[in-house]
Amino acid sequence: DQQVKQNSPSLSVQEGRISILNCDYTNSMFDYFLWYKKYPAEGPTFLISISSIKDKNEDGRFTVFLNKSAKHLSLHIVPSQPGDSAVYFCAAPRSGNTPLVFGKGTRLSVIA
Amino acid sequence: NAGVTQTPKFQVLKTGQSMTLQCAQDMNHNSMYWYRQDPGMGLRLIYYSASEGTTDKGEVPNGYNVSRLNKREFSLRLESAAPSQTSVYFCASSRLAGGHTGELFFGEGSRLTVL
Repeated sequence: DQQVKQNSPSLSVQEGRISILNCDYTNSMFDYFLWYKKYPAEGPTFLISISSIKDKNEDGRFTVFLNKSAKHLSLHIVPSQPGDSAVYFCAAPRSGNTPLVFGKGTRLSVIA
Repeated sequence: NAGVTQTPKFQVLKTGQSMTLQCAQDMNHNSMYWYRQDPGMGLRLIYYSASEGTTDKGEVPNGYNVSRLNKREFSLRLESAAPSQTSVYFCASSRLAGGHTGELFFGEGSRLTVL
């Protein structure tokens, strides 16, 4: 069973516009979420996280929003830049001391 | 500061051959992990080691074995490789087990092809 779902395999956005990447989860016990970014031929790198006690967390051009009632989170990138073109993974730990479960990823292409 | 180092980066095997993927981290992290990435499947956990001396199965452990050699090193062994194990393998480490305790640091990946 896939507990973290990213239903859009790909997204294409023009440079300077907003990119919105979505993630849904099924387990209401999840209380911490992370986004990772992955370039080709490299390992994933941590981007931003959010705890369930918040509904928003911001870091520069990146903002993550959490809607607990809908079991949905989204990553906003504003403004989008060509260097943001990568695969983005949403992840969550099943419980506090367990490893991360990852979504299937969304490939973002930012077109100049 | 190398972070997480995986070897080899590329490997081609024939069905039934065995091999070991090596991973070492220099961040003094307690926990280490092996994930595999397949097209359309995201990252799936194979095995992890919450601390030196312990190992646990992840989502897709069948066909694999692991050894936590010491605090720095965590190896993944394929005893009898199968084409279904063609994948990109990522080793990762974290200060402590569990997602609440900080992010995972990943290696660059090892691309394995089984013919």
